[in-house]
Amino acid sequence: GESVGLHLPTLSVQEGDNSIINCAYSNSASDYFIWYKQESGKGPQFIIDIRSNMDKRQGQRVTVLLNKTVKHLSLQIAATQPGDSAVYFCAENMPLNSGGYQKVTFGTGTKLQVIP
Amino acid sequence: DARVTQTPRHKVTEMGQEVTMRCQPILGHNTVFWYRQTMMQGLELLAYFRNRAPLDDSGMPKDRFSAEMPDATLATLKIQPSEPRDSAVYFCASGLTGRTGNQPQHFGDGTRLSIL
Repeated sequence: GESVGLHLPTLSVQEGDNSIINCAYSNSASDYFIWYKQESGKGPQFIIDIRSNMDKRQGQRVTVLLNKTVKHLSLQIAATQPGDSAVYFCAENMPLNSGGYQKVTFGTGTKLQVIP
Repeated sequence: DARVTQTPRHKVTEMGQEVTMRCQPILGHNTVFWYRQTMMQGLELLAYFRNRAPLDDSGMPKDRFSAEMPDATLATLKIQPSEPRDSAVYFCASGLTGRTGNQPQHFGDGTRLSIL
């Protein structure tokens, strides 16, 4: 959806616990979704992606869940570590024409703070 | 690992001056994106190139901003004349889009621009 950027939601998690970061997307026609991690002073870094024909995808310590019925995406991080502290963005890709052009929209972002 | 390279990393200049930001996309990628990130607006798409052709620059102020790809290894974003409200971090990202579907974008570490 539209990014407002006025206030970044913050999630504080104890080291070793699991983290769940949520994202609501806006376009039911979006067919590809990505989670990015952004550390201070750096660009967003790809974590995991999922296509609309799937509802779950697992990576190393991360799982993405997609619920197309309610247009909701979540990122689960297992055994959260201090190095996971960052801002996490979801992004949705919506195809706009048969020529392969997609409209990419980033969410507002969620700041994850890991408490040692 | 292949990386998107952006130069300069930091730029401070006075209003009215021309600013040129450069990006070297990952070799073999056929899409290039320019984004602007601010605290107020979050991550905004400015321009999108596919196979060096501009497909979408609707997010870019046309009167002062211009984006080009002189060749496959270089993308540029120019602001002339610059204004204090242009102060932000500008990110370039590259990706690969083809018949197999979309792939995640890979971001550079950005140019932090301050217009005095």
